[in-house]
Parts: sequence; C-alpha cells; structure tokens
Amino acid sequence: KQEVTQIPAALSVPEGENLVLNCSFTDSAIYNLQWFRQDPGKGLTSLLLIQSSQREQTSGRLNASLDKSSGRSTLYIAASQPGDSATYLCAVRPSVNRGSQGNLIFGKGTKLSVKP
Amino acid sequence: NAGVMQNPRHLVRRRGQEARLRCSPMKGHSHVYWYRQLPEEGLKFMVYLQKENIIDESGMPKERFSAEFPKEGPSILRIQQVVRGDSAAYFCASSPPTGGNSPLHFGNGTRLTVT
Repeated sequence: KQEVTQIPAALSVPEGENLVLNCSFTDSAIYNLQWFRQDPGKGLTSLLLIQSSQREQTSGRLNASLDKSSGRSTLYIAASQPGDSATYLCAVRPSVNRGSQGNLIFGKGTKLSVKP
Repeated sequence: NAGVMQNPRHLVRRRGQEARLRCSPMKGHSHVYWYRQLPEEGLKFMVYLQKENIIDESGMPKERFSAEFPKEGPSILRIQQVVRGDSAAYFCASSPPTGGNSPLHFGNGTRLTVT
C-alpha cells in the first residue's frame, strides 16, 4: 500500500532563506508526483508536476526533484518570502496498474512560515 | 477561464440530514475527482467520475455516500443521514480528457459541519 510522508510537519524560517521540503513514498511504481500549495481555508494550487521519467522540474524560485528508485522528492524554495507561507503538499499518482489516474495519494503536508 | 467552482463554501447540517455538495469543473475539463480532508489528516481520494460514468469509487464509503456527474450540470456529492464524523472539507478537482499527465486543478472546497 502506497504511503506518502512529509518531513518536517512544520517549518519556520526568516525571510530570504533557501529551504528544502522533503517527501518520501513507499512504492516506487508511480506515474507522476505533484507538489501543491494550500493556503488556509482555500483549495490546492498545483506548483509542479514531475513525470516518473523526469528528475526535476523548475518554476521560478521553485525546483522539485524526484528520485523514484529511493522513493524521494524534494521541493526547493529559493529566497523565501512571507508570501510563501502556506502548507505544501506532496502527492503521488500510482502507476496504471496500481490505481486510476485520479487516485492521488497525499502526504499530510509541511506547514511553512516565512517571517519578515 | 474560471477555475473549479464549488458551492456552498460552508454547509451546516444536523445529524440525520442530507448534504449536497456541488462542483463545476474548469471549462473543457470532463474528469472530476472528489477528495475529503479530515481535521489533522491528509487529503483522501473518494471518487473519480467522467460525464455520466463513475470510473473509480474505491475511496467512497459503502453507505450513505454517492456521487454523480450528469451530462448537463455540475457534479454532485451526496451524503445521506450525516453523522458528526462526516464533518470535513470536501474538495473537488478536475482535469482535461488528455489523460493522467495533466495536473489536477482543485476548487476551494466545501466545509461541512455536522452538529
């Protein structure tokens, strides 16, 4: 059974710091992995999607890496800003023979606070 | 292009009543997914629908819960005879019909409180 773990559960950093959020998954048979951002009382915003054949994806100050064989992904945020404060969620889509395309398995998230 | 629209944003029901949650997918999206987020828990998949078809309902409780996505109109998640344990945030997501490589787009959720 696929399980997704995110460490740490919460993180507080001063503005300007570079930081890394971690995500691990137990079954390497994945189709892709997505990172989302969730603001309090809001829905999820998709940040980056990495296909199982890819090693990393970049968007602005965000860089996500994927090491499928070791079951790990990291989200790197450069030059953090107070507006980055949110909960960051990692989700894997299992391979076709492990579930349907909509059945994403989510971690519980890392709550990030960036202090001005 | 409006995003995924869910209504109501907040819903309060007494035990035993019915709850109906609505979701209109993004324009051009024909795949809809429902997830539930319990307090202090991660999001859990409930059901995946295409127009007039349930593709995967492996995450739906066997009783009291049902979902539909009719040919016309929004997708509906229906919870009959609600209990306190149904209190949660229910999120709808949608994607285009191009397959599993498209990211899911989520709505802002409906927060159900059962009193």
